[in-house]
Amino acid sequence: EADIYQTPRYLVIGTGKKITLECSQTMGHDKMYWYQQDPGMELHLIHYSYGVNSTEKGDLSSESTVSRIRTEHFPLTLESARPSHTSQYLCASSEPTGSSSPLHFGNGTRLTVT
Amino acid sequence: KNQVEQSPQSLIILEGKNCTLQCNYTVSPFSNLRWYKQDTGRGPVSLTIMTFSENTKSNGRYTATLDADTKQSSLHITASQLSDSASYICVVSDRGSTLGRLYFGRGTQLTVWP
Repeated sequence: EADIYQTPRYLVIGTGKKITLECSQTMGHDKMYWYQQDPGMELHLIHYSYGVNSTEKGDLSSESTVSRIRTEHFPLTLESARPSHTSQYLCASSEPTGSSSPLHFGNGTRLTVT
Repeated sequence: KNQVEQSPQSLIILEGKNCTLQCNYTVSPFSNLRWYKQDTGRGPVSLTIMTFSENTKSNGRYTATLDADTKQSSLHITASQLSDSASYICVVSDRGSTLGRLYFGRGTQLTVWP
């Protein structure tokens, strides 16, 4: 069972709304990530954090922002949602032991912007 | 350009049959390769990791191979079960920096029919 939790699981909202996707983990991992996943496509890194008060943008250009005030919490915010933001958003965490540590994923938030 | 290519894109097999999924990569310098299983509506879960010096590694009915010379990996599933129906994602990590950047394949969608 996953020790990383995402809410909500599904979200349908109208264009222009502000939304926050929640992600929490109970494993004490310093590293956390947000990925975007579309059907049949590879995961794209949109934000990552190596610890409290540390956040960086990933490879995929995104209009979202993140914060890391507590180790266990890594929320993602869209100030003004657009239909192009419709996608699956996956949060993950990993141990700080380099690239040999696996990513632990949440079950995702499926966002639909109408 | 660092890339990860998986084949086939999708595969349908009968329960009890074996199958092999392929992953070719151009990532350099290579650090490790990991296979993830992603059930529908869930986040990916790590199955196994292959490092440069490893040729074969088994995890129950899953056996992964790595040929670092040809930059190819395979995931063999023996005596398939209905629960094996999922997307299998190949992820390669480089060691060009302490970041351990990850490169994702698009996955192979496996369907096991009774």
